[in-house]
Amino acid sequence: EPEVTQTPSHQVTQMGQEVILRCVPISNHLYFYWYRQILGQKVEFLVSFYNNEISEKSEIFDDQFSVERPDGSNFTLKIRSTKLEDSAMYFCASSPSQDTYEQYFGPGTRLTVT
Amino acid sequence: AQKVTQAQTEISVVEKEDVTLDCVYETRDTTYYLFWYKQPPSGELVFLIRRNSFDEQNEISGRYSWNFQKSTSSFNFTITASQVVDSAVYFCALSDRNTGKLIFGQGTTLQVKP
Repeated sequence: EPEVTQTPSHQVTQMGQEVILRCVPISNHLYFYWYRQILGQKVEFLVSFYNNEISEKSEIFDDQFSVERPDGSNFTLKIRSTKLEDSAMYFCASSPSQDTYEQYFGPGTRLTVT
Repeated sequence: AQKVTQAQTEISVVEKEDVTLDCVYETRDTTYYLFWYKQPPSGELVFLIRRNSFDEQNEISGRYSWNFQKSTSSFNFTITASQVVDSAVYFCALSDRNTGKLIFGQGTTLQVKP
């Protein structure tokens, strides 16, 4: 069964460093999402992406964040200058269409900023 | 504004007890989807169910059942004869009609003791 994959599973970085979190969505999906979950808290929407552009972003998704689909398979989330409060689990999700509202989540990347 | 409320932060039961997790939502959309996800200690989000706003029929899947009531904007989840493996955080979520993003509740931590 096709699944969303994310790498790395755990990333440790120093404050101020740039990180790139990678996701490979399911191949025929068209809508892509990033969510964040700070430890012990709820899952929060960051950004949605369709047709090579951002369709919606949350207040959390400020100028230090960016997303890209550099090729036909990868979907990346870049944090330019990490802060301690960026430590969280980051989930990627993909969907075949907006109408089905059927999102498939990846296993997550745990980002630890020290 | 769209919102999901899971008023129960933590629930503790003894194995074989039935347990109901509450979910109340707010939306102005007439078409929407509701979801339940399970997050075990390993951290991934496991999809449990998706329910269309036009379908108010209750659903049963093995020991799991869901009660959707539009009149009270609730989508409650019941586990019958709970097992230790059911111990996890459970999230209720609501879809955004325009972008498909999911709005999550705060989650309910369920502990099932042997």
